[in-house]
Amino acid sequence: NAGVTQTPKFQVLKTGQSMTLQCAQDMNHEYMSWYRQDPGMGLRLIHYSVGAGITDQGEVPNGYNVSRSTTEDFPLRLLSAAPSQTSVYFCASGKGQETQYFGPGTRLLVL
Amino acid sequence: GENVEQHPSTLSVQEGDSAVIKCTYSDSASNYFPWYKQELGKRPQLIIDIRSNVGEKKDQRIAVTLNKTAKHFSLHITETQPEDSAVYFCAASKGSGYALNFGKGTSLLVTP
Repeated sequence: NAGVTQTPKFQVLKTGQSMTLQCAQDMNHEYMSWYRQDPGMGLRLIHYSVGAGITDQGEVPNGYNVSRSTTEDFPLRLLSAAPSQTSVYFCASGKGQETQYFGPGTRLLVL
Repeated sequence: GENVEQHPSTLSVQEGDSAVIKCTYSDSASNYFPWYKQELGKRPQLIIDIRSNVGEKKDQRIAVTLNKTAKHFSLHITETQPEDSAVYFCAASKGSGYALNFGKGTSLLVTP
């Protein structure tokens, strides 16, 4: 199993550009989540999904969209990037009572 | 929403000493409390977790205690080693482990 994979590893955007951060897992996990990590702030939940077709907002959802059309994939969309969205983004997945496993992260720089 | 506070923000100990990190949470409905270790430039990795029906859990040099009445839980690392140096995060969740609310982290430095 590849586990949780994220692409790209690093991305530079200009303010106002859009992009999609990809997240995929091959462990048949029900739950998938997106977090952002900023210095001194810990990890903050952006959006999460408890199954295909079901998503919900976390602590910091503004500026981000998600969809879950398959069990395996949970992309995060930035519609109009802002410098405040410069961060490291982690995707995580889990199943039932099991813990979440994190992907390797995507470093995003918005100029 | 849930608010998780973590103390201290930095902790320096000598090799062989014990380290204790404490977290408090606000939502009494939270029932799952994991601890993650994150090395520089790496992803967070689970080191131990505890559920609300258990008061203490141990795994070799690591232990976690939970006091549901006081709404706090702690991580204990004994016989610390330099490779324990990392940032540690506590978290709380009302669900099965998804939708975690994290503390802001503790940077642990173990000096030889």
